[in-house]
Amino acid sequence: GNSVTQMEGPVTLSEEAFLTINCTYTATGYPSLFWYVQYPGEGLQLLLKATKADDKGSNKGFEATYRKETTSFHLEKGSVQVSDSAVYFCALRGPLYGGSQGNLIFGKGTKLSVKP
Amino acid sequence: ETGVTQSPTHLIKTRGQQVTLRCSSQSGHNTVSWYQQALGQGPQFIFQYYREEENGRGNFPPRFSGLQFPNYSSELNVNALELDDSALYLCASSGAGTSGHNEQFFGPGTRLTVL
Repeated sequence: GNSVTQMEGPVTLSEEAFLTINCTYTATGYPSLFWYVQYPGEGLQLLLKATKADDKGSNKGFEATYRKETTSFHLEKGSVQVSDSAVYFCALRGPLYGGSQGNLIFGKGTKLSVKP
Repeated sequence: ETGVTQSPTHLIKTRGQQVTLRCSSQSGHNTVSWYQQALGQGPQFIFQYYREEENGRGNFPPRFSGLQFPNYSSELNVNALELDDSALYLCASSGAGTSGHNEQFFGPGTRLTVL
């Protein structure tokens, strides 16, 4: 079945450090891929997405490239800020059949803490 | 344009009780999906409502049920609560058309604690 695996946290970085959060997926076909962010006490916000192989999603300095050959969608940011501290979820859109109706399948999340 | 809202924010129940959670979808959206997020886990899809009918369901037992109203707001009902039902319940709405292809916008969630 479809699933998402992302690196375990927590990840603790100093301000201005480089960030990578690994995400790999298992799916039939070519699902759309997403990164969501959840700030403390809040719901999920879409950070970026990619809908086909080799697409690069980007937003707020974060980037991720849809790699079909490695079934990966790693999240990167060149210089993190304290305000980036949150939990990050990798997700794919499930198939339109079989009951999932194209709803999202999430990884377990990676907590990022950025220290000043 | 208002976003997705959920009520209540927090709720405490005891085992065996029943609970109703509410969600108001974003303006113009006719599809609502519900997710359960256990502590330290990613959200898991419960079910989806489209034009007042259940339109897809994840791996949750029948004691999880829902409704969607003509204004596209939605309720999630859970009967015979169990301790493992303690979680953050997230509602997401999406726009018209083929629901599977539209971006989902999430509400802030309802934190349910079952004692």
